[in-house]
Amino acid sequence: SAVISQKPSRDICQRGTSLTIQCQVDSQVTMMFWYRQQPGQSLTLIATANQGSEATYESGFVIDKFPISRPNLTFSTLTVSNMSPEDSSIYLCSVVVHGNEQFFGPGTRLTVL
Amino acid sequence: GENVEQHPSTLSVQEGDSAVIKCTYSDSASNYFPWYKQELGKRPQLIIDIRSNVGEKKDQRIAVTLNKTAKHFSLHITETQPEDSAVYFCAASTDTGNQFYFGTGTSLTVIP
Repeated sequence: SAVISQKPSRDICQRGTSLTIQCQVDSQVTMMFWYRQQPGQSLTLIATANQGSEATYESGFVIDKFPISRPNLTFSTLTVSNMSPEDSSIYLCSVVVHGNEQFFGPGTRLTVL
Repeated sequence: GENVEQHPSTLSVQEGDSAVIKCTYSDSASNYFPWYKQELGKRPQLIIDIRSNVGEKKDQRIAVTLNKTAKHFSLHITETQPEDSAVYFCAASTDTGNQFYFGTGTSLTVIP
């Protein structure tokens, strides 16, 4: 498995501001993802964080709104920019290790007022 | 792209009974099917998975079956306990692990 930490665990932000979420893994991993989970909903993939190149975004998500950094194989950040109340959600990072097993971070609960 | 459907959306069972959750997928290229359990306020946890070269896999009280021809797979929980109460998600992926498609989730309640 993999030990994954995220910071912050939760935050309350004002609309129009930005928040950067950090994801740290205890081992080097190739595949790292960012998901959003609305209350009572399933997981929606935002993007794949690629080390050394631009992230790959899913339909409906753009780099200007959700810039992602992946400076090395153990760390990534997701920024939620120019936030609105609709961005209130739980944001989770995940990694895929040997055998395609995917493990999730503890999540960041974001509330935008 | 892949489309994963999951049923039922909610399920209530008496403690000790069995629970079955079913998922279907559309892309025949999918060959890895994990199941996640998410307790309230917690992260999704991988509980069992199955690959397309296997028809059934069991781990204590949980088992997963796969029918490649029909493109469906199921999670079976026997002798349910109150601590099994959670939301369960199925997913489909491929060998490369570069994309996971999730079902919509099943909220399981085990009544003591």
